Amino acid sequence: ETGVTQSPTHLIKTRGQQVTLRCSSQSGHNTVSWYQQALGQGPQFIFQYYREEENGRGNFPPRFSGLQFPNYSSELNVNALELDDSALYLCASSPRLAGGPMGELFFGEGSRLTVL
Amino acid sequence: DAKTTQPNSMESNEEEPVHLPCNHSTISGTDYIHWYRQLPSQGPEYVIHGLTSNVNNRMASLAIAEDRKSSTLILHRATLRDAAVYYCILLPYNQGGKLIFGQGTELSVKP
Repeated sequence: ETGVTQSPTHLIKTRGQQVTLRCSSQSGHNTVSWYQQALGQGPQFIFQYYREEENGRGNFPPRFSGLQFPNYSSELNVNALELDDSALYLCASSPRLAGGPMGELFFGEGSRLTVL
Repeated sequence: DAKTTQPNSMESNEEEPVHLPCNHSTISGTDYIHWYRQLPSQGPEYVIHGLTSNVNNRMASLAIAEDRKSSTLILHRATLRDAAVYYCILLPYNQGGKLIFGQGTELSVKP
């Protein structure tokens, strides 16, 4: 069983550009969450997707958007990049949306974005 | 969102038990207590979770106070590989994957 994979692992962009980050969830997992982790901080929840629809969003502006595909893989898009967007972006998958108690989230190793 | 309070850092010796405390005095009845850890240059890794009763798994034990206002993650024999930032997180019953991470406890393990 393959784990959560993210691409690219590292990338550099300039202010004002747009970026797309990709995540392949673990086999059988239908829920994907995205997190932003600035250096020295804990991860911050961006949003979650369940069966191709956004299901919960953190305190991030609309220029952060996402998609989930029928195979449950996901993309995070960030428009009009700002210097403060430099961070590690983490994707996590889980087998179901917590209509009941949530168990384990499986995280990828992240995409390191640097905005110059 | 209910908050947790953890010490910023702790030290342990290899092969000794480690008790990582977490205070969560504003916990509500439907909040589950989750622990994740993050090794350097890796994504967070699930450790354990519980609601009211103490829990054991292959990685650790979770001791939950009777009033649920605090909990303790117990690593029975620390190894060098256990050096990581440990996060105590309260997850409401119906919040799915919306984990609210705090600063966590940075655990260092000495040989």
